[in-house]
Amino acid sequence: DQQVKQNSPSLSVQEGRISILNCDYTNSMFDYFLWYKKYPAEGPTFLISISSIKDKNEDGRFTVFLNKSAKHLSLHIVPSQPGDSAVYFCAASAGSAGTASKLTFGTGTRLQVTL
Amino acid sequence: ETGVTQSPTHLIKTRGQQVTLRCSSQSGHNTVSWYQQALGQGPQFIFQYYREEENGRGNFPPRFSGLQFPNYSSELNVNALELDDSALYLCASSLQSRRNTIYFGEGSWLTVV
Repeated sequence: DQQVKQNSPSLSVQEGRISILNCDYTNSMFDYFLWYKKYPAEGPTFLISISSIKDKNEDGRFTVFLNKSAKHLSLHIVPSQPGDSAVYFCAASAGSAGTASKLTFGTGTRLQVTL
Repeated sequence: ETGVTQSPTHLIKTRGQQVTLRCSSQSGHNTVSWYQQALGQGPQFIFQYYREEENGRGNFPPRFSGLQFPNYSSELNVNALELDDSALYLCASSLQSRRNTIYFGEGSWLTVV
């Protein structure tokens, strides 16, 4: 049962344009969402997060949007740069203090930013 | 640089053997979690330790076990290795009280032959 889904395995975007990566979830108990970026031979690197009490969070070129009613979130990267080429994972966690750092991950989207 | 270090980076084991993977958490982090990432998949939660006690477990059999030490370093032990255990094993350290502090190490690549 895939509770976090990233339906696009890959995405190609031109440098300078916007990259939009999508993520859907099914578990209504999820209340905190994170995006990680992963290069080959490295561990996932935290990018940005959002709590379910918000619908948008912005950090520099990265913005995450959350639509709770649709159980959908998206990561926008503007402008896209060649160094953004990596695999992006969406992750979610559910509430209490004891479980807040147990993450459920999607399968990832490989972003390629072309010149 | 996340401050989370894992060893070894790569290893090859034979089916039926046992393996121990190690993790040194970021300074001050009191929680460590382990994840298994098979090829083409997202990381899957194995278990979590908080103050040296198991604090949540994913859908993994008991032959996956762990330890957390007073200095917040941690071990993942896998007994009776199976071919399907071949994967990248990731350690993540965090503070229980802060949900955006989950930092991963670079992982240990395990190949079971």
